[in-house]
Amino acid sequence: DAGVTQSPTHLIKTRGQQVTLRCSPKSGHDTVSWYQQALGQGPQFIFQYYEEEERQRGNFPDRFSGHQFPNYSSELNVNALLLGDSALYLCATLNRQANYGYTFGSGTRLTVV
Amino acid sequence: DAKTTQPPSMDCAEGRAANLPCNHSTISGNEYVYWYRQIHSQGPQYIIHGLKNNETNEMASLIITEDRKSSTLILPHATLRDTAVYYCIVSVRTGGGNKLTFGTGTQLKVEL
Repeated sequence: DAGVTQSPTHLIKTRGQQVTLRCSPKSGHDTVSWYQQALGQGPQFIFQYYEEEERQRGNFPDRFSGHQFPNYSSELNVNALLLGDSALYLCATLNRQANYGYTFGSGTRLTVV
Repeated sequence: DAKTTQPPSMDCAEGRAANLPCNHSTISGNEYVYWYRQIHSQGPQYIIHGLKNNETNEMASLIITEDRKSSTLILPHATLRDTAVYYCIVSVRTGGGNKLTFGTGTQLKVEL
């Protein structure tokens, strides 16, 4: 049973560019949350999707947007990249009915230069 | 969500019990206590959660004080593979899945 799959694992982008990160949830999971983790810090909540809609949002600017597809997979888009966007981006999924705890992917390491 | 306070680091000898404390003195009645851990270069891993009763699973035990203002995560027989950052999180369970607010956690180092 595959867990949460994130792609790509590493990415280098230039300031001002746009990036799309992808997440495939664990089998049976319908809810996807995205987190940003800066070096040495705990993960920070970006937003959550279920039923293809954004349901909760953290304190992140509109440059951060997302999408959830009918198969429950999700994308995180970041526009106009800043150096400060360099971080590990984590996808976390769960089954809303069970809601025992999130399963996290290993993340995408984004470096903005 | 209520804030949590954890010691920044702890050491434990392999084979001994690791007891990780967490203070959450402002916890509300409908907030659960969750524990996750993050091994270097990996995503966080769910360990256990509870509301008011003590809980145990195959990974750990969670002891919550009667006033719910603090809790302790117990790893009964720590191994080197338990070396990780442990996060204590207090959050309301919602229909769509709760938002997790991570602090800086406790760096647990298990040594021979």
